[in-house]
Amino acid sequence: IVVTQSPATLSVSPGERATLSCRASQSIASNLAWYQQRPGQAPRLLISGASTRATGTPDRFSGSGYGTEFTLTISSLQSEDFGVYYCQQYNKWPPGTFGQGTKVEIK
Amino acid sequence: EVQLVESGGGLVRPGRSLRLSCEGSGFNFDEYAIQWVRQPPGKGLEWVSGIDWNSRSIAYADSVKGRFNISRDNARVYLQMNGLRSEDTALYYCAKTTGLSLYYSLDVWGQGTTVTVSS
Repeated sequence: IVVTQSPATLSVSPGERATLSCRASQSIASNLAWYQQRPGQAPRLLISGASTRATGTPDRFSGSGYGTEFTLTISSLQSEDFGVYYCQQYNKWPPGTFGQGTKVEIK
Repeated sequence: EVQLVESGGGLVRPGRSLRLSCEGSGFNFDEYAIQWVRQPPGKGLEWVSGIDWNSRSIAYADSVKGRFNISRDNARVYLQMNGLRSEDTALYYCAKTTGLSLYYSLDVWGQGTTVTVSS
């Protein structure tokens, strides 16, 4: 299974909305997670089950989608939201395939 | 505090071996699958291997199959890496799944241990 993210880089001004996409080559139902990685830090789980926010994830982050098409939306970007975002499928073998990441940078 | 700590990384010559260790604390380690994920310098995340709660289900990425071996004992998971290649150079993270099997998201991550393969 292949997981593809787009765009590779997203330039956004603070306060603006950001929309990140993730596509799976086969249906994965809702078995998709989103992670945030800030520079020099380990990844952090934001969303699992395609749309369920993890503990501590602010409500400006929302996930949607089912099957092969998924979206992560950040409603109003804050300075601490800049970094790289990865999606990961955990439905098909191998059980942990990541997308290549989307870098969210300051415009 | 729920925590994972990796150790065992270092500089090693091509073809040699290393064993990474991942120690968990603050949670019932035996109730969760554990995965290894690596990140080459300046690149994205790559899933490497995983082991479920009772070691009955084990998985490897094609890039490491036949060279790496994952195991668990008490509150530790080990990644035995043999026949190391330059392309194995990366920061290796261990991460806890949110359930018993490999098919869950990863809610707790360690800070990583660096493996450098170079002559």
